[in-house]
Amino acid sequence: ETGVTQSPTHLIKTRGQQVTLRCSSQSGHNTVSWYQQALGQGPQFIFQYYREEENGRGNFPPRFSGLQFPNYSSELNVNALELDDSALYLCASRGGTTTLDEQFFGPGTRLTVL
Amino acid sequence: GENVEQHPSTLSVQEGDSAVIKCTYSDSASNYFPWYKQELGKGPQLIIDIRSNVGEKKDQRIAVTLNKTAKHFSLHITETQPEDSAVYFCAAIRRYSTLTFGKGTMLLVSP
Repeated sequence: ETGVTQSPTHLIKTRGQQVTLRCSSQSGHNTVSWYQQALGQGPQFIFQYYREEENGRGNFPPRFSGLQFPNYSSELNVNALELDDSALYLCASRGGTTTLDEQFFGPGTRLTVL
Repeated sequence: GENVEQHPSTLSVQEGDSAVIKCTYSDSASNYFPWYKQELGKGPQLIIDIRSNVGEKKDQRIAVTLNKTAKHFSLHITETQPEDSAVYFCAAIRRYSTLTFGKGTMLLVSP
């Protein structure tokens, strides 16, 4: 069974640029969530995708957007990068039909905005 | 929305001692409480979880207790080992919602 994978592992961008992060969900999992983890903080929920539709969103501006593909992999796009977007971005997947099912996280993508 | 408070922020113990991390939550409708361990440079790893219909759950050296009346839950690690050193996060969720995490506890186990 393959776990959650993310790419790239590290990324450096400058303010105003755009970035795309990628996630492959664990085998058999159809729901993907994205989280932002600032240094020294717990993960903060960005949004969630189920069967290619966004079905939940946290307190993040519209310049944070995403996609889910038929194979349940997902992308997180961030436009007009700001310095405060520097963080570890985590993807988590789950395979159940309720939000009470276990979520499994990938290793994350470390984004640095200069 | 849900708010999760976690204490302490840092915990230092000697190898072999027990460690306890405590969390409180605000939403009485929350009914699933996972705990994650995050090592440096890695994503959070689910180590144990508990649902609201259970008061305690144990898995080898790790146990979690839940008090729904007081809205708090705790992680207990016995016979700590240096490899237990990491940041631990508690989280809470209710049906049709999303995980809310505490701010984390850095556990340091000295040999």
